Amino acid sequence: KNQVEQSPQSLIILEGKNCTLQCNYTVSPFSNLRWYKQDTGRGPVSLTIMTFSENTKSNGRYTATLDADTKQSSLHITASQLSDSASYICVVATDSWGKFQFGAGTQVVVTP
Amino acid sequence: SQTIHQWPATLVQPVGSPLSLECTVEGTSNPNLYWYRQAAGRGLQLLFYSVGIGQISSEVPQNLSASRPQDRQFILSSKKLLLSDSGFYLCAWSMVNWRAEAFFGQGTRLTVV
Repeated sequence: KNQVEQSPQSLIILEGKNCTLQCNYTVSPFSNLRWYKQDTGRGPVSLTIMTFSENTKSNGRYTATLDADTKQSSLHITASQLSDSASYICVVATDSWGKFQFGAGTQVVVTP
Repeated sequence: SQTIHQWPATLVQPVGSPLSLECTVEGTSNPNLYWYRQAAGRGLQLLFYSVGIGQISSEVPQNLSASRPQDRQFILSSKKLLLSDSGFYLCAWSMVNWRAEAFFGQGTRLTVV
C-alpha cells in the first residue's frame, strides 16, 4: 500500500480558475514534505518544501499547506495558466538522509 | 551550481539485449544517488539508491542492477531486457541533510520491443 495517497487522480480546470490538490500520508518518521511539478516526459521539479513546524509555504501562484497532526497536505494553484498543465507529485522524506516516498501524482489539465 | 545529466533521452531496445543508462552529477560531492522508474499513470518507484562509491541498495527485486564506479556517476544496467522493463527512468541526487531535496535528471524513455 502506498504510504502517500494523492487526490484527485486527475482534474481539468479552465484557465484563470483556482484548484486544490490533496495529499494524505502515513509515512513515519516524517522529515519534510515536498510538492513537485512534472511536465510530460521530463523530470520532476520541486515547488515547495515544508517541515513539521511549517503549515504553509508559497511559491508564486502555488501555495502548499501541511497539517502534521492529521498527516495531510494540499497544494493550491491560483489563477491557473496553461503552463500549469502537468503532474503534481507529493513527496514525503522519511528521514534526514533523504529517503523519499512518492505519491502517484495528480494530473492537471488547464484548458483555454 | 549543481547539475545532473542523464542519457540517453529515449531508447528502443529489443528483448534480451543489454542496457546501460548513465547519470552524472556536477557541482557537488558525495551526493546520494537514486534510480527511479515511472510507469504510465503511476508514481515513481525507487529502484536503487547509493550513499557512496560502490554502495548500492536495491529496493525491489528485478532484472536490473546499478553501479556507482565514481562519486558522481550512477549507472543502471541489465544483461537481458524484458518487455516489462519498458518505462520512464529517472536519475536523482540529494544531499544528506534534514531538508534534503531530490533533484531529477530529464529522464530516459525506454521501450523494449
